[in-house]
Amino acid sequence: EAQVTQNPRYLITVTGKKLTVTCSQNMNHEYMSWYRQDPGLGLRQIYYSMNVEVTDKGDVPEGYKVSRKEKRNFPLILESPSPNQTSLYFCASSFYTGGGYTFGSGTRLTVV
Amino acid sequence: AQSVTQLDSQVPVFEEAPVELRCNYSSSVSVYLFWYVQYPNQGLQLLLKYLSGSTLVKGINGFEAEFNKSQTSFHLRKPSVHISDTAEYFCAVAFGNEKLTFGTGTRLTIIP
Repeated sequence: EAQVTQNPRYLITVTGKKLTVTCSQNMNHEYMSWYRQDPGLGLRQIYYSMNVEVTDKGDVPEGYKVSRKEKRNFPLILESPSPNQTSLYFCASSFYTGGGYTFGSGTRLTVV
Repeated sequence: AQSVTQLDSQVPVFEEAPVELRCNYSSSVSVYLFWYVQYPNQGLQLLLKYLSGSTLVKGINGFEAEFNKSQTSFHLRKPSVHISDTAEYFCAVAFGNEKLTFGTGTRLTIIP
């Protein structure tokens, strides 16, 4: 089944403890992206990648890192999480511009 | 500046009545336009998209949208809604490259 898989689905962590949210797609998509969803703000792009080793900042990149060493994987790294990063995170992928993203099921992160 | 605006944060509609969810954008480059739906506690699912050609596009679940270039709008419509259409709807615009920008969402509530 074609899909984007995120792990974990739920995560509670403490301020400052580094964490990684994994994202993997099995559709050979070139484009991948991370979004965070907050009430009243919709989805805001954190980082995106147009191909292996090519990443770029989205609208809210502060406090996040990404890497794209393989086409299928696009992990999101929070080096020192803070409470304002408590949010619902989505990974998404697309084959080409205009294809429309396929979204993962989301990761609900709580930082205390 | 490039932006996406969904004018209504909440829209209540009686069952079997028609509905229109509004989306406007601002851009100086060519765009691709999308509508996504998010059911409670789920990820986002692509409803429909406009890339080029006919300005009226049909999507899943009986939804359609019309691209109006002069008014920079891409409103979503359905002639008769059902309880199962209760969800949050997001308009999204790809400006030039694959950077997909979302509106803040419209929560559609169907009243029995």
